[in-house]
Amino acid sequence: GAVVSQHPSWVICKSGTSVKIECRSLDFQATTMFWYRQFPKQSLMLMATSNEGSKATYEQGVEKDKFLINHASLTLSTLTVTSAHPEDSSFYICSAPTGGGRGQFFGPGTRLTVL
Amino acid sequence: AQSVAQPEDQVNVAEGNPLTVKCTYSVSGNPYLFWYVQYPNRGLQFLLKYITGDNLVKGSYGFEAEFNKSQTSFHLKKPSALVSDSALYFCAVSSNSGGYQKVTFGTGTKLQVIP
Repeated sequence: GAVVSQHPSWVICKSGTSVKIECRSLDFQATTMFWYRQFPKQSLMLMATSNEGSKATYEQGVEKDKFLINHASLTLSTLTVTSAHPEDSSFYICSAPTGGGRGQFFGPGTRLTVL
Repeated sequence: AQSVAQPEDQVNVAEGNPLTVKCTYSVSGNPYLFWYVQYPNRGLQFLLKYITGDNLVKGSYGFEAEFNKSQTSFHLKKPSALVSDSALYFCAVSSNSGGYQKVTFGTGTKLQVIP
């Protein structure tokens, strides 16, 4: 079955640094990928929709200059958390749709801890 | 706008007993409904989906869900709970209107199966 991978699985960084998270579709092409953020004991909140070859679409309240998204190819989307602060610490999950509204394949998630 | 409600933050059930995790939804048009399970520090795993057809949907690990259009519900069920079923369960809804597969998640229900 289709698989979505994320790298790294866990990253710890100092406040003020930038962190890049990769999301790859391993055996299928994804013109669209989604980035979610999950706070402890809370639901997944959609941050943005990553579109191959065009700008990402951000949800209301998400800072596009803070969370840079690049969909460089049909199998890779990256999320860069710029100038990270402790409040950016969270679990970031990407997903790619299966097509036909049949759900999404989720990556395993990346846990970001900003000291 | 679409929305999902999971009214119970936590459900406790004894091992071997039947379990139900509740979900109601609101969406324009025909709903695509999903259940996902999340284990600690892990991404989401697909359990089952309803797109069309029989109202009773069978999924992974012995889980099933019943689509009830009049009550706009999609409750998750299992006849006999296992301790290993203890996890966080998310209900989600999507509509394929315009080909845009934006998925909205419920807040999650923690299932605790007691030995």
